[in-house]
Amino acid sequence: DTEVTQTPKHLVMGMTNKKSLKCEQHMGHRAMYWYKQKAKKPPELMFVYSYEKLSINESVPSRFSPECPNSSLLNLHLHALQPEDSALYLCASSQERLGEKLFFGSGTQLSVL
Amino acid sequence: SQQGEEDPQALSIQEGENATMNCSYKTSINNLQWYRQNSGRGLVHLILIRSNEREKHSGRLRVTLDTSKKSSSLLITASRAADTASYFCATDPNQGGKLIFGQGTELSVKP
Repeated sequence: DTEVTQTPKHLVMGMTNKKSLKCEQHMGHRAMYWYKQKAKKPPELMFVYSYEKLSINESVPSRFSPECPNSSLLNLHLHALQPEDSALYLCASSQERLGEKLFFGSGTQLSVL
Repeated sequence: SQQGEEDPQALSIQEGENATMNCSYKTSINNLQWYRQNSGRGLVHLILIRSNEREKHSGRLRVTLDTSKKSSSLLITASRAADTASYFCATDPNQGGKLIFGQGTELSVKP
């Protein structure tokens, strides 16, 4: 299994809602990442987990809350989002050195109304 | 701050032609990576070149790295319509997992 699976593929939420994005990999990778990507822009790093511990938080607002329950799963909890948070949220994992040869999921397209 | 800048921003070619994309970066690096992204999908890792390498090949892909000029190029030979995608270079200057992507080149290969 060489896939990173993200659910849901699409999500529409209101500004008062609470929702979660899920990411799963079964490649034995010990690093997992969340990226945010706006249309026609490059992905922007949000969080990095290494061995289930948060190692990088790119000054992301607290309305985004990551969680790594185990080495195969990564969640992103969303609460009180703003319309400008609408974007494609990408999860990735890597086996070798941190930041090398990332495997990406297909993303969750999020719309905040 | 932007680590990788790519040019051209957009490139349109005919099937069978070669496509060359360039990436420039600002700080010293341990390696440079290239990724492809089809519209609205996740990124796919194409190739990684380390700072002590000057050229690397993978199938129809050829990547060069010039650390003195802080630049890299990606050449796709004999392009196909299926190569139509956005191509990003990426670096992790501090080797701590903070992989930063360039602005990308949007490649269109017309059949």
